[in-house]
Amino acid sequence: DQQVKQNSPSLSVQEGRISILNCDYTNSMFDYFLWYKKYPAEGPTFLISISSIKDKNEDGRFTVFLNKSAKHLSLHIVPSQPGDSAVYFCAASPYAQKLVFGQGTRLTINP
Amino acid sequence: DAGVTQSPTHLIKTRGQQVTLRCSPKSGHDTVSWYQQALGQGPQFIFQYYEEEERQRGNFPDRFSGHQFPNYSSELNVNALLLGDSALYLCASSLWGSDYGYTFGSGTRLTVV
Repeated sequence: DQQVKQNSPSLSVQEGRISILNCDYTNSMFDYFLWYKKYPAEGPTFLISISSIKDKNEDGRFTVFLNKSAKHLSLHIVPSQPGDSAVYFCAASPYAQKLVFGQGTRLTINP
Repeated sequence: DAGVTQSPTHLIKTRGQQVTLRCSPKSGHDTVSWYQQALGQGPQFIFQYYEEEERQRGNFPDRFSGHQFPNYSSELNVNALLLGDSALYLCASSLWGSDYGYTFGSGTRLTVV
């Protein structure tokens, strides 16, 4: 039972353009959503999060959008930089409980 | 300020053996969670420890057990290893009751042969 899904295993974007990573969830009890970035041989690094009471959160080049009615969230990176190339995981949490992760999307930024 | 430290970084074990993985949480954190990441998948929650007690558990068999020490460090034990236990095991520390602020270690790569 995959409660958090990232349907795109990979995404390739030109440097300087916008990267959009998508995530869908099924559990209405999730009230907090996070994005993590992972480089090879390293643990996931927290990127940005959003509470279920908001529909947008911005931090520099990164913006997360939450559409609760569609149970969908997205991460926008603009402008994309070569250092953004990594695997991105969407995660969801029912209040202060475990994190439920998606399968990840490998983002490649091309020069 | 040290982050989350996991040891060892790599481990090779034989089917049927037992393994112990170790985790030291980030300074100031009191809660430790363990995750298993199989190849090509996202991390899956194993269990969470706070105040030396298991507080939550994911869908993992009893072969997976853990412990938390008074200094908040933690161990993950896996008995009767199966080939399917081969994965990256991640430790994450946090403050109890916090939705955010999970800090992950670099993981232990376990290979069962």
